[in-house]
Amino acid sequence: NIVLTQSPATLSVTPGESVSLSCRASQSISTSIHWYQQKSNESPRLLIKYASQSISGIPSRFSGSGSGTDFTLSINRVESEDFSIYYCQQSYSSLLTFGSGTKLEIK
Amino acid sequence: QIQLVQSGPELKKPGESLKISCKASGYTFTDYAMQWVKQAPGKGLQYMGWINTQTGKPTYADDFKERFVFSLETSASTAYLQINNLKNEDTATYFCASGGDTPFDYWGQGVMVTVSS
Repeated sequence: NIVLTQSPATLSVTPGESVSLSCRASQSISTSIHWYQQKSNESPRLLIKYASQSISGIPSRFSGSGSGTDFTLSINRVESEDFSIYYCQQSYSSLLTFGSGTKLEIK
Repeated sequence: QIQLVQSGPELKKPGESLKISCKASGYTFTDYAMQWVKQAPGKGLQYMGWINTQTGKPTYADDFKERFVFSLETSASTAYLQINNLKNEDTATYFCASGGDTPFDYWGQGVMVTVSS
């Protein structure tokens, strides 16, 4: 199974700061990584697909990068609505897996 | 627009069974596979597996090969998750999800399942 390791587990920031969330895969997965945001008591929402491709309706402050084993979700100037949990997920292997998540909280 | 609408919350006793539904609309049901995801209280997303909506063949992740059954009612554009012999650790929210571009383009609202004696 491909293991995805997200870091940090928790990130405390002030609104207006820019942040980077990391996702590392246990083996090379090309760009088959997707990022989701989950707010409390809601379903996850797709933010970025295939490492860096944008999704219609998602604010442009969200961007993704990386290939192989190291991936990054960046949020430019965090807004109050962005405080939630972020998950990465790989579709390189038919046995899909999620990372353990990064909680973005207000400092 | 594409929607996945799941059935309502469930309260069950250990040893009982349940079957939750996920009704798709806004697209041709057999165009996309249906995925299932478990989220225990306060925990992350755990992938359960998927069902091929064209053939009905299910594929289960390792932790879900016993007691869990994926099925379809294609004429009703509905997928089902059945859990047999419920245990306390099955207490969780269960999501269905689907999509053509990525496996999780679209998500259901989730079904909260509580197993308690």
